[in-house]
Amino acid sequence: AQRVTQPEKLLSVFKGAPVELKCNYSYSGSPELFWYVQYSRQRLQLLLRHISRESIKGFTADLNKGETSFHLKKPFAQEEDSAMYYCALKGTGTASKLTFGTGTRLQVTL
Amino acid sequence: KAGVTQTPRYLIKTRGQQVTLSCSPISGHRSVSWYQQTPGQGLQFLFEYFSETQRNKGNFPGRFSGRQFSNSRSEMNVSTLELGDSALYLCASSLGQGADGYTFGSGTRLTVV
Repeated sequence: AQRVTQPEKLLSVFKGAPVELKCNYSYSGSPELFWYVQYSRQRLQLLLRHISRESIKGFTADLNKGETSFHLKKPFAQEEDSAMYYCALKGTGTASKLTFGTGTRLQVTL
Repeated sequence: KAGVTQTPRYLIKTRGQQVTLSCSPISGHRSVSWYQQTPGQGLQFLFEYFSETQRNKGNFPGRFSGRQFSNSRSEMNVSTLELGDSALYLCASSLGQGADGYTFGSGTRLTVV
């Protein structure tokens, strides 16, 4: 079975502070990991894929297979980063569906 | 190019009725997945279709069904509606195996009264 855990429902940080949204996963094979973001009144959209190792809007995420984690990080939070963030795992073969975590609401305050 | 389009945006149905939701994927995308989003359960996978074949199915009762047409458009049907089926139903499309990520539609908000 595949599982994604996001331990924090809400993360509140000040503008300019570092951000780390935690994501741990459980999967026996080699998963593909994603971060999705949902801004207020907007549709769910892809933020990052672990296979591309890219930085989007200043966010990065590194897959740590030893700790089975895929934490999302940003060195300096901006007000416009306030949103709901979902970590998702895609398995292989018959488990190729996307499994989402419960999400973390990031609130950036002045 | 146009994104993933879901119709209708809102629906109100009565318990016991059935409902059909529609999803048009991005042009060229052959995979369509459906998800149910609720405040209590979050995002839960319903099923995935690729080239008109159901490739994967989540843990939902048989009242939930879907299909995909030759133009990749997909429909989802829920029969004998229950109050607990009230949710936002999201459709997502991808090119193939989904490694490039999935593009989501705005969803259909279903309210069962």
